[in-house]
Parts: sequence; C-alpha cells; structure tokens
Amino acid sequence: AQKVTQAQTEISVVEKEDVTLDCVYETRDTTYYLFWYKQPPSGELVFLIRRNSFDEQNEISGRYSWNFQKSTSSFNFTITASQVVDSAVYFCALSEAGDNYGQNFVFGPGTRLSVLP
Amino acid sequence: DAGVTQSPTHLIKTRGQQVTLRCSPKSGHDTVSWYQQALGQGPQFIFQYYEEEERQRGNFPDRFSGHQFPNYSSELNVNALLLGDSALYLCASSRGQGRTEAFFGQGTRLTVV
Repeated sequence: AQKVTQAQTEISVVEKEDVTLDCVYETRDTTYYLFWYKQPPSGELVFLIRRNSFDEQNEISGRYSWNFQKSTSSFNFTITASQVVDSAVYFCALSEAGDNYGQNFVFGPGTRLSVLP
Repeated sequence: DAGVTQSPTHLIKTRGQQVTLRCSPKSGHDTVSWYQQALGQGPQFIFQYYEEEERQRGNFPDRFSGHQFPNYSSELNVNALLLGDSALYLCASSRGQGRTEAFFGQGTRLTVV
C-alpha cells in the first residue's frame, strides 16, 4: 500500500535560516513519482517539483533543493535563506505508475512552515 | 490563460442535503481529479474523470458521485450530507496520461451544519 509520512507537523524558523522538510514514502511499485506542493492560506496547491523513481539526481531551483534517496525512501525538501513568503503548508505526494490516467496522488499530512521576520 | 477554477468558493449546507461543486480545468487539460481535504490533513483522492468516464476512485462511499462534460469541466455531487463531509474540496486538472504535474484550483470550502 502507498503511504507518505511527514513527521514534522509544524516548523518555525527565523527569516534567512535554512529549513529542511522531511518526507518518507512507502510503495511496492518500482516505478513511481514523487511531488512536493505548497499550500498558502488561499488554499490552492502550488506545484513545486516532480521526480520519477529512476532519477535520483538532486535538484536545485533557486532557494529550493530536493534530496531524493531511494535507499531510505526519502524525498526531503530544503529551503535556503527562508523568507516570510515561504510560510505555508507543504505537502509531499506519491503517485504510482499503475495510475494510467494521470494524478491519483497519495498526500502526506503536510508540514506547516512559519517563517518569522 | 485561466488556471483551474472552482465554484462556489464557500458553501454552507444542512445535514441530509445534497450539494454540487463545479470545476473548470486549465486550458488544454482533459483529466480532472477531485480531492477532499479535511482541516489539518492532506488531501484525499475521491475520483478522477477522463473522456467523460470515472477512471479511478478512492475510498469514498457512493454518496460521492461525479460527472465530466464534453468541454472537460466536471461536477462533484455529494448526497445525504454528513457533518463529516465538511472539508475543502479541491479539483485538479492535468493533460492526458502520464505523470505531468497537476494544477489545482483554490477549492470549495463546504460546511455542513
């Protein structure tokens, strides 16, 4: 069965600090996709990144970086030099390859990040 | 280019009533999925529509039903509302098969009293 765990319920940091959000997943499929979404107070889920199970390269996009490690089933997300605008709930999600018609995500419970000025 | 739009934004219904939520996908997208997000939790997959048919369904009772129209827009219907149906209902659209990213709407906040 698919499962996504985000052990950190809430994190508070001071602006300009680095912060890492943890994500651990469970799946029996060898082909799957992992995602991170940001949910600001407006409610809309904003896509941040997609990674397939065959691509373990870490990725950096501006202040965001992602560390994918299949050996530990983890897909962690780091924000460097955090800003107040980064305050939101962040969700990690998993989609297995058997899903032939697009997104049937299993979401984690989310991590609420508060960046204080 | 409009993103995913959902209506209404907020809704209050009485227990036992029926409700219909609407979603217009992003331009060029033909697949629509619906999610229920209870307060403080991650979204839960309800079902997905492609080519006007329900293709996948999550662990939700038959009280939850849907429809997709030829223009790819979609409706989510919930019958015999329960207090526990109170949640944010999110619609996501994507383009066909494959693991492209899904674009989400801002959701409909349903409160059942």
